[in-house]
Amino acid sequence: DAGITQSPRHKVTETGTPVTLRCHQTENHRYMYWYRQDPGHGLRLIHYSYGVKDTDKGEVSDGYSVSRSKTEDFLLTLESATSSQTSVYFCAIQAGIAYNEQFFGPGTRLTVL
Amino acid sequence: KQEVTQIPAALSVPEGENLVLNCSFTDSAIYNLQWFRQDPGKGLTSLLLIQSSQREQTSGRLNASLDKSSGRSTLYIAASQPGDSATYLCAVHNQGGKLIFGQGTELSVKP
Repeated sequence: DAGITQSPRHKVTETGTPVTLRCHQTENHRYMYWYRQDPGHGLRLIHYSYGVKDTDKGEVSDGYSVSRSKTEDFLLTLESATSSQTSVYFCAIQAGIAYNEQFFGPGTRLTVL
Repeated sequence: KQEVTQIPAALSVPEGENLVLNCSFTDSAIYNLQWFRQDPGKGLTSLLLIQSSQREQTSGRLNASLDKSSGRSTLYIAASQPGDSATYLCAVHNQGGKLIFGQGTELSVKP
């Protein structure tokens, strides 16, 4: 399972509250990613990181920020959650310098009321 | 802009059939292509990765092919089983380092 855990696995929150999702990996991979999965849109990249303190935006980054202060943890923050951010969030790592294969965590189901 | 399409969106077959899932992409300048399986309520499991220089990859009953020039990949599943029921996703890894996903094919294998 590539040693990826996500927490929490489920969360219900109210509009306007801040939310932080955590992705933890145990194998020191350099690249980490946050995606969201929604019916009709598939999986879309939110932000990614290519090293400690090195992050960049993906396709749907508005309303989200990320931080990576150590190799093993990649945090996704919704500063002020909105109902449109109700989704399933997946973290992924990229393994293998030659092959760039991505492996995914179990996901976090977030509901914003 | 790279777009990835998977047809059909859903497929139902009887157990034992051989089947083919299709994936097409608009920009042939890809680094690699990855096939995933997703069970309901679960994360994605990587099945096969094909490098842009390769034509196919095999793992057990699965065989994935890649024709970069025509922008197509297929996932062949031999002797399908009810346990193969899941959504299958194809994703292309662009030269720019991003993974672009198709919408998936939902497969149901009936006993």
